This record gives sequence, structure tokens and C-alpha cells, in this order.
Amino acid sequence: QVQLQESGPGLVKPSGTLSLTCSVSGASSTSYYWSWIRQPPGRGLEWIGYVFHTGATNHNSFLGNRVTISLDASKGQFSLRLTSVTAADTAIYFCATSTPTPSRHFDSWGQGILVSVSS
Amino acid sequence: DIPLTQSPSSLSASVGDRVSITCRASRGIATYLNWYQHKRGKAPKLLIYAASNLQSGVPSRFSGSGSGTEFTLTISGLQPEDFGTYYCQQSFTTQYTFGQGTQLEIK
Repeated sequence: QVQLQESGPGLVKPSGTLSLTCSVSGASSTSYYWSWIRQPPGRGLEWIGYVFHTGATNHNSFLGNRVTISLDASKGQFSLRLTSVTAADTAIYFCATSTPTPSRHFDSWGQGILVSVSS
Repeated sequence: DIPLTQSPSSLSASVGDRVSITCRASRGIATYLNWYQHKRGKAPKLLIYAASNLQSGVPSRFSGSGSGTEFTLTISGLQPEDFGTYYCQQSFTTQYTFGQGTQLEIK
């Protein structure tokens, strides 16, 4: 059973950079898609993006070029970096994994971390 | 982008009831549709993948059906622990999208 745990600052200033890390344990293989997903207050889930074990990345087009997702397999971690944040980026941020099957379902999730953007 | 629309947005049902939630895609997505349960403060949980496949460890009262643009999650014999918000998610394109969620309350 893969276990994931998000960590990082809970408060970021407007125009600043949001940086989060997801620590992974129990993964029998590194051949996963490692994703970030968020839930703004009172709203549903939004997929942010993923990094594949090869280092290839993909992210939601609505975030433009503000997002970077990277993988450090040697540390069992992957990271999210979101620049030029505004109040609209306030959300609970989840990390999740999906195996490279056609359905690419998110089969393991972290508990989530609340990040607020405020001065 | 493929928007997903869930209905209803919320519902209230009694223990033992049969409950159905619908997810409609703006265009055909074959069976690239997954269902999750989310309880506040907890990690979301995968219930159904590829429209109708029950995730390991998920009770058999949960089932999924559909293909193309219309999908259904059914809970047969609602249990008290089934409260929460249910989301569908498409992986037909690599711009993954979720439905807006259906909040299920147990009467």
C-alpha cells in the first residue's frame, strides 16, 4: 500500500511562490504518475499536474507556465512549485499516484495540506 | 478540456436505500471514467475505475456503469459510513477533469 504525505508552508504571500513536497513510502515500483490535485474552499477537485517516473511532466492548461512538478526518486519525494500566487490559489493540496494503466485512476492519495495565500 | 456534470449536486437518503449518481461528459470518453469518495479531512478514496471496475477493498454495494457520455455510480444498500462527497473524473484526455461533486447525506 502506497502512503503519501504532503508537507510545506501553510501560508504564502500574494505574488509569492507556493512550494510543497510529497513523501512517498511503500511504493513497490517508481513507475507511477505522481500527481498534484487541489480543492479550493467550497469547491470541487482540480487536477494540477503530474510527473512521470521518466521525468516527463504534464499540467493543467489553466495554470499556464506557473507550475513546476519534479521528482526526486532517490529521496522518495516529488514536489510542486506554483509561482505568482493569488488568493485564488488558496486550497487544500493533495498528492496522489496513478499506475500507468489506460484508466490512470488516482489509487493512492495523501491526506492533504491547507495552503492559504494571504498577506 | 472535457467538463463533467454530476447530478444531483446533493442528496439525502436512508440506510438501506439504493442511491444513484450520474456523471455526464461534454463529449464521448469511452470508459475512461473513475469515481471517488471524499470525506472532509480525509484522503479521497478510489471506488470505481474504468467506469465499472471495483477497486480492491471497496465494498461490493458500490457499482459503476456507463460509457460514452453518461455514467452512473450506484450504492445498493446504503450504509452509515457512505456519507461524503462523490466525484467522477475523466482520463480520456491528459487534461484530467473532475465533476463538481455530489454531497451524500445519510438521513
